[in-house]
Amino acid sequence: EAQVTQNPRYLITVTGKKLTVTCSQNMNHEYMSWYRQDPGLGLRQIYYSMNVEVTDKGDVPEGYKVSRKEKRNFPLILESPSPNQTSLYFCASSSRLSGANVLTFGAGSRLTVL
Amino acid sequence: DQQVKQNSPSLSVQEGRISILNCDYTNSMFDYFLWYKKYPAEGPTFLISISSIKDKNEDGRFTVFLNKSAKHLSLHIVPSQPGDSAVYFCAATFSSGTYKYIFGTGTRLKVLA
Repeated sequence: EAQVTQNPRYLITVTGKKLTVTCSQNMNHEYMSWYRQDPGLGLRQIYYSMNVEVTDKGDVPEGYKVSRKEKRNFPLILESPSPNQTSLYFCASSSRLSGANVLTFGAGSRLTVL
Repeated sequence: DQQVKQNSPSLSVQEGRISILNCDYTNSMFDYFLWYKKYPAEGPTFLISISSIKDKNEDGRFTVFLNKSAKHLSLHIVPSQPGDSAVYFCAATFSSGTYKYIFGTGTRLKVLA
């Protein structure tokens, strides 16, 4: 089954404790990205990657890092999490459809930073 | 600056009636628009899209209308079903493949049986 898999789905951590949210897709998509969803703010792009070893900042990159060493994986790293990073995170990858890319999303990772 | 706006946070509709969800954008350079549906505890799923060269796209019960001069798009669901109850996000992007997506804040649709 074609899918984007995120782990963990739920995580409670404390301020300053480094964590990584993994994302893997099995569709051979070149493009992958991370979003966070917050009440009243919708989905905001954190980072995206056009291909292996190619990453770029989205709209809200502060406090996050990413890497793209393999095509299928795009982990999101929080080096020193803070409470304002408490959010629902989605990883997505894209396929080309009718001239633009349609995103396929993972199920989400709910992160709470105390 | 919210480039894509969904001004109605929620909408309730009777089963069988039409649901109309609205979305406005400010950047006239956007040329591709998408609607995603999101159920609780799941990721958003693609619903329907439209290119700026069209003013309407239909897929079964779902139709998206685009008014470029007004920078407005709408999603019509006819007839509405209880299973349509979800949060709907509109998104705007560029068909040139910049991979830049701007999402609206979402509208929660509740279809009443």
